[in-house]
Amino acid sequence: EVKLVESGGGVVQSGGSLRLSCAASGFASSSYWMTWLRQAPGKGLEWVANIQEDGSAKYYVEAVKGRFTVSRDNAKNSLHLQMTSLRPEDTAFYYCARIDARGGDYISEYFQVWGQGTLVTVFS
Amino acid sequence: SSELTQDPAVSVALGQTVTITCQGDSLRTSYASWYQQKPGQAPVLVIYVKNNRPSGIPDRFSGSQSGNTASLTITGAQAEDEADYYCNSRSWMFGGGTKLTVL
Repeated sequence: EVKLVESGGGVVQSGGSLRLSCAASGFASSSYWMTWLRQAPGKGLEWVANIQEDGSAKYYVEAVKGRFTVSRDNAKNSLHLQMTSLRPEDTAFYYCARIDARGGDYISEYFQVWGQGTLVTVFS
Repeated sequence: SSELTQDPAVSVALGQTVTITCQGDSLRTSYASWYQQKPGQAPVLVIYVKNNRPSGIPDRFSGSQSGNTASLTITGAQAEDEADYYCNSRSWMFGGGTKLTVL
């Protein structure tokens, strides 16, 4: 069964740090770009960061640049998000997902596999 | 533009057809994907690359795309289709979501 399982969420004071992990099973995560997404309570989905198959390229939403770092350990089929200088506005469910892509005339990327999410709560 | 625009809410009578739309300039060069999210659950992919359904998604869900607009159509909406629906483009761009109510 193809599966992603996040862990590491919790309650932290503003300015604190947390490290999220995402364990992949049922597929070789080293063959895929991976992503972190988040959703504040009652709000919509927001992309946070992408990481290339070998970890050489990383992209972040402007709001987390310089504070969050995405990494991966392909030997352990895992993905991580190190979050520092946390702010109350970072409070959200954090999801990891696999990025599937198709070639062609149009850019085609989509998230076929999602984790169940882990809740991060930042209080001031 | 880096935005995708969706209507915040749409309703449909049980068994009728409803279309949810997503607009944005990025859709002129990229295919949208669509995600269904029910309360307390992670999103689920329902349509990708214009009109492809993952295994397990009912065939009442279909997608189309033209110009800067992508559409998700549910033909014969069921009570279990009541959910939030999000479009996405180029992985990093999400629409604001559409809350679908089945009456």
